[in-house]
Formats: sequence, C-alpha cells, structure tokens
Amino acid sequence: NAGVTQTPKFQVLKTGQSMTLQCAQDMNHEYMSWYRQDPGMGLRLIHYSVGAGITDQGEVPNGYNVSRSTTEDFPLRLLSAAPSQTSVYFCASSSLAGSSYEQYFGPGTRLTVT
Amino acid sequence: GEDVEQSLFLSVREGDSSVINCTYTDSSSTYLYWYKQEPGAGLQLLTYIFSNMDMKQDQRLTVLLNKKDKHLSLRIADTQTGDSAIYFCAEKRRGYNKLIFGAGTRLAVHP
Repeated sequence: NAGVTQTPKFQVLKTGQSMTLQCAQDMNHEYMSWYRQDPGMGLRLIHYSVGAGITDQGEVPNGYNVSRSTTEDFPLRLLSAAPSQTSVYFCASSSLAGSSYEQYFGPGTRLTVT
Repeated sequence: GEDVEQSLFLSVREGDSSVINCTYTDSSSTYLYWYKQEPGAGLQLLTYIFSNMDMKQDQRLTVLLNKKDKHLSLRIADTQTGDSAIYFCAEKRRGYNKLIFGAGTRLAVHP
C-alpha cells in the first residue's frame, strides 16, 4: 500500500492564481480531510469528507473548495491564491469502521503564495 | 473553548525520560492521540488512548490520562536523538467527525 499520497510536494503561486492540490489513498478509507499547518498554530482543519459525494467544512474553509467523486481521491482547490494561504497542507484519511479515528497523513505540500 | 494546549518546547538529555504535557477542554472527548512529526514529513500516529482508560504503555511510550483535570501526558523513556521531533496532542470529541490538534511540542534531545 502506498498509503496517503500528495502532489505536488512544493508549489509557488502568484496572488490570484488557482491550483489544485491532489490527495489519494489506497486504503479504502471513508474519511478524508485537509489540514493546513502554520508555525505555532498546529494543524487546522480546512474541509473533510465522510464518503464519496459528501463533504463538509472545517475550521478554516474560506478560499478553498473540495469535492469527493471517488473514495480514493480528495482534491483541494485554491480558487484565487492569497499570501495568507502560504502554508504546509496535509491530507489525512481514516477508516470509519472502528471508532478510534486513527488518521494516516500524507507527506504534505508546501505552498508559497507571492 | 476549542483549544488543545501544549507547551511549545522541551529540551532533554539523551538517555533521560521526556514528558510532554497536553490539556484539552472537552470532557466529551472519546479518544486522545499523540502524533510525531519529523522535519519535512507528515504526522505519524504514535499512540492513542480511549477516554475510559487512565494509562497505556507501548514499549518506551507511556500515556497518562487524567480525565478530572483534562490532562494528557506522553512519557518517552530513554530518550534518543531519533526522538527529536514535534509531538502533537489531538482529541476526538463525541459526535464530531474530526480531530482537534494542539500547536505541537518541539522536543530537542542533546548529548
């Protein structure tokens, strides 16, 4: 199993550009989520999904869109990039079969918006 | 409130024990987790504890949970340089499909 994969690893955008961060998992997990990590602030939840066709907002959803057309993929779209979106983005997945919600994280995408 | 709080930095000597502390605010939390993040990497689940437990031990790791004080700790015995990383505490609240993370504690291990 590859686990949770994310692409790209690094990205530089200009203000106003749009892009999609890719996330895929091969563990057949129902739950997938996107976090951003900023210094001194830990991880903050952007959006999450409990299954194909179902998404919901986390703590900091503004400026981001998600969709979940398949169990495996959960892309995160930046509609019009802003410097405040400079961050490291992590995708995570977990099974909903138990109740422990052990989340498996991808390696992250480091995004810089100039 | 929403906060999970951790001290930001801990320095220990190689071979000593490390204790990383965390406080959480919601008594309905069902599971509490410790994650480790090495430089440039994602988060790796170290261990978790169910809220009806007081302690969980896994090799060099010991998790203690004080539900009355909403306090969670991670003890690493015989700390090694490879333990240098950021450690995140997280809680899952009953009825919520998400984890709330603390800001992370950076553990530095020196000779």
